[in-house]
Amino acid sequence: DAKTTQPPSMDCAEGRAANLPCNHSTISGNEYVYWYRQIHSQGPQYIIHGLKNNETNEMASLIITEDRKSSTLILPHATLRDTAVYYCIVRVDSGGSNYKLTFGKGTLLTVNP
Amino acid sequence: NAGVMQNPRHLVRRRGQEARLRCSPMKGHSHVYWYRQLPEEGLKFMVYLQKENIIDESGMPKERFSAEFPKEGPSILRIQQVVRGDSAAYFCASSPNRVLFSLYEQYFGPGTRLTVT
Repeated sequence: DAKTTQPPSMDCAEGRAANLPCNHSTISGNEYVYWYRQIHSQGPQYIIHGLKNNETNEMASLIITEDRKSSTLILPHATLRDTAVYYCIVRVDSGGSNYKLTFGKGTLLTVNP
Repeated sequence: NAGVMQNPRHLVRRRGQEARLRCSPMKGHSHVYWYRQLPEEGLKFMVYLQKENIIDESGMPKERFSAEFPKEGPSILRIQQVVRGDSAAYFCASSPNRVLFSLYEQYFGPGTRLTVT
């Protein structure tokens, strides 16, 4: 799986959009970008994933650059409960050992009142 | 966390004792994964199991660690003769049948925090 690079920490004001960047310059054509988050003392929670097109669901939006070398997770209206470590992961769709999720150190997002 | 259950949530063992961690996957899920999170680290894959089969144990330490997922009952991660370095959070995740889903999500349990004294 491609290596990802994320800032170690970010702050965001409550009610504002939180934009979390991720660099994955060595991503392959068949690798998806996944985002998980881990709220303190809980198990990771799936947020969103995408291949090349921008994606949106009820939790967040994922913007992937045209060259796919970086992406941004957007939480449109951050709340205090969004304070968590956010992990950006890239992995292949199927085949091989794509079931392995490789977590880096992620970005600690702190939402401030 | 989407119905994956783990117990106990906290486990304290003395050096040399055995630790047994249990994981009940979500209803209808036949795939189980174990991950370990050391303090201040990200999660690391340990093992992937289906019912009665170990598919990939490449992340498991070679000694003292074993895992099973029997036909009936929860998946068990067993650590024999625990040492202080085994202190960590152990997370279990489950997913539905891989054949039916080319992209399948792993749903994580709340974890078991093992402390070795």
